Amino acid sequence: QKEVEQNSGPLSVPEGAIASLNCTYSDRGSQSFFWYRQYSGKSPELIMFIYSNGDKEDGRFTAQLNKASQYVSLLIRDSQPSDSATYLCAVRGRDDKIIFGKGTRLHILP
Amino acid sequence: DAGVTQSPTHLIKTRGQQVTLRCSPKSGHDTVSWYQQALGQGPQFIFQYYEEEERQRGNFPDRFSGHQFPNYSSELNVNALLLGDSALYLCASSLRVFPSQETQYFGPGTRLLVL
Repeated sequence: QKEVEQNSGPLSVPEGAIASLNCTYSDRGSQSFFWYRQYSGKSPELIMFIYSNGDKEDGRFTAQLNKASQYVSLLIRDSQPSDSATYLCAVRGRDDKIIFGKGTRLHILP
Repeated sequence: DAGVTQSPTHLIKTRGQQVTLRCSPKSGHDTVSWYQQALGQGPQFIFQYYEEEERQRGNFPDRFSGHQFPNYSSELNVNALLLGDSALYLCASSLRVFPSQETQYFGPGTRLLVL
């Protein structure tokens, strides 16, 4: 059973600090890795995807991928109250299907 | 430019009934995927349609079926509803070429309650 694991949280981070969200996956042949943000009562929206080892930056967001450790993370710099949401990690497996984790609830403290 | 739209927004059914949910993809997109999201869980992949055919399927029973029309819109049908089918049903559209396929846009979802 292919799995994507995330700490459910809540993760509380002071405003202006760096929020670090982590995700591990079981399928070593996974191809692409995604971070989505989902506000309460809304649908997920893509923050970014990564498919090569290393870092990928987009504004205040940085995704980090380590395929050897089967680990992907998302860093949010200068956290804002509007960043308070559930963050979903998703992985495209070798079978080309996308599996989501259960999400980490992030709370930015003003 | 209209994003992904879904109808209806909310639906209440009773056990054993059948339901049809509808999705119109973002303009220019040709691929539609359906997900089920239970409360407190991440979305679970149901199936994906491209060129009017089911291309991939997740771990869902045959009670879940779908269709894609020539204009790329899609329907999700669920027969013999169970209480456990109560969830938010999400449609996502994308373009089936790499790397565009990695950018899925989700619709607002249909919240289904089975009593």
